[in-house]
Amino acid sequence: AQSVSQHNHHVILSEAASLELGCNYSYGGTVNLFWYVQYPGQHLQLLLKYFSGDPLVKGIKGFEAEFIKSKFSFNLRKPSVQWSDTAEYFCAAATGTASKLTFGTGTRLQVTL
Amino acid sequence: GAGVSQSPSNKVTEKGKDVELRCDPISGHTALYWYRQSLGQGLEFLIYFQGNSAPDKSGLPSDRFSAERTGGSVSTLTIQRTQQEDSAVYLCASSLGLPGLDGETQYFGPGTRLLVL
Repeated sequence: AQSVSQHNHHVILSEAASLELGCNYSYGGTVNLFWYVQYPGQHLQLLLKYFSGDPLVKGIKGFEAEFIKSKFSFNLRKPSVQWSDTAEYFCAAATGTASKLTFGTGTRLQVTL
Repeated sequence: GAGVSQSPSNKVTEKGKDVELRCDPISGHTALYWYRQSLGQGLEFLIYFQGNSAPDKSGLPSDRFSAERTGGSVSTLTIQRTQQEDSAVYLCASSLGLPGLDGETQYFGPGTRLLVL
């Protein structure tokens, strides 16, 4: 069965530090990949997604992610985090015919001043 | 237009009681999903509706869980004879198309936090 793994459960960074959150998926066929973010007290919202084309995807608030098919990875990056990036980040995948998203367990990011 | 709305926002119930959770999707979205988010867990898929097609119920954890979608819009998730392990946040999402086939974004509601005592 398809699965998504996020190995970083809790990350603490100082403002201006660089961020990379890992995401690996298990499916070998066509796959669409998503990063969702949940800010404290808010609902899940899309950060960015890969559907096709350029494997380097840019999203909102300066985030980007790179789809590396050979590594089954879709890591999220940001060169300089801000305190307002404190949130929980979820990676998700959907296969070519899937009607649902398979989510990772999430990474809680805490940015300190 | 308005986003996905869910009600109630919080629900506390006693073990053994039935509960109903409601979801209003974004107008025009044909696909509607229910997920469950337990403490420390990711989102667990429960059920999916698409237009007039038969729903995908493959994620429902037991026959105590059921859902319906009336008129292709509002959906209700019902949990019968609730158990303490049902305590979680129940999230609804809607989309124009499928995340796998079309790469469509799912838009999530704020969730219903269910606590079974």
